[in-house]
Amino acid sequence: SQQGEEDPQALSIQEGENATMNCSYKTSINNLQWYRQNSGRGLVHLILIRSNEREKHSGRLRVTLDTSKKSSSLLITASRAADTASYFCATFSGGYNKLIFGAGTRLAVHP
Amino acid sequence: ETGVTQSPTHLIKTRGQQVTLRCSSQSGHNTVSWYQQALGQGPQFIFQYYREEENGRGNFPPRFSGLQFPNYSSELNVNALELDDSALYLCASSSPGQTTNEKLFFGSGTQLSVL
Repeated sequence: SQQGEEDPQALSIQEGENATMNCSYKTSINNLQWYRQNSGRGLVHLILIRSNEREKHSGRLRVTLDTSKKSSSLLITASRAADTASYFCATFSGGYNKLIFGAGTRLAVHP
Repeated sequence: ETGVTQSPTHLIKTRGQQVTLRCSSQSGHNTVSWYQQALGQGPQFIFQYYREEENGRGNFPPRFSGLQFPNYSSELNVNALELDDSALYLCASSSPGQTTNEKLFFGSGTQLSVL
C-alpha cells in the first residue's frame, strides 16, 4: 500500500504560472520528501521537510507540512517548460530507509 | 547526476525467463535499495541491502532476490518472469554517515519488458 497520495493526478499549466501539488499520508512521520522524475527515468530528490518544520523553501520550490492533517504541499513558482515531470511525495516506513511513494502528480508546463 | 549507475538501460525477456539487473552505488554509500515502478504508478519498495545483508523487504515474492558485493554494488534477480513484472526497476543508494530517514540517490533505472 502507498503511504502518500498526491493530488491532483495530473496538472497542466502555462509557463510563468504557479503549480501546486498536494500530498496526504497515513502514519506519523519524521520527515517528508519530494522527488521529481523526468519521462519515467530516475528520481531526483528535491526537498526534505522535517516533522517539526511547517514550511521550507529551495529556489522556486516551497513546501509546507501540516502534521495535524497529515498533508503536505509543493508549490513551484514561475513554472518553466523544463519543470514538466512527475512529482512524488515520499515518507519513510520502518527502521530502515524504506521510502513509500505516492502515485505522483504529472505536471505539464506549456510554453 | 547522482553517481548511481544501472545496467542495462532496457531489457526484453519472455515469460518464464530469468533476469539480472545491476547497480553501482554512489561512492561511499553502503546501502542499496531496489524499487519497482509500474507504468503510471509510484515506485514500490522491493528490498534493501546493507553491508551485503538483506535489511528489509517489501511485499514481493521470493523469486525476487538480490545480492550486494563487497564494493557495495548490487544485483536484482527475478526468476520465472511474469508479464506483470514489466516495469521500471530503480536502484537507490544512501550514505553510511546519514541517520536513517534521509534522502536517497536514484539511478536512471532499467526498463524491463516481459513478453
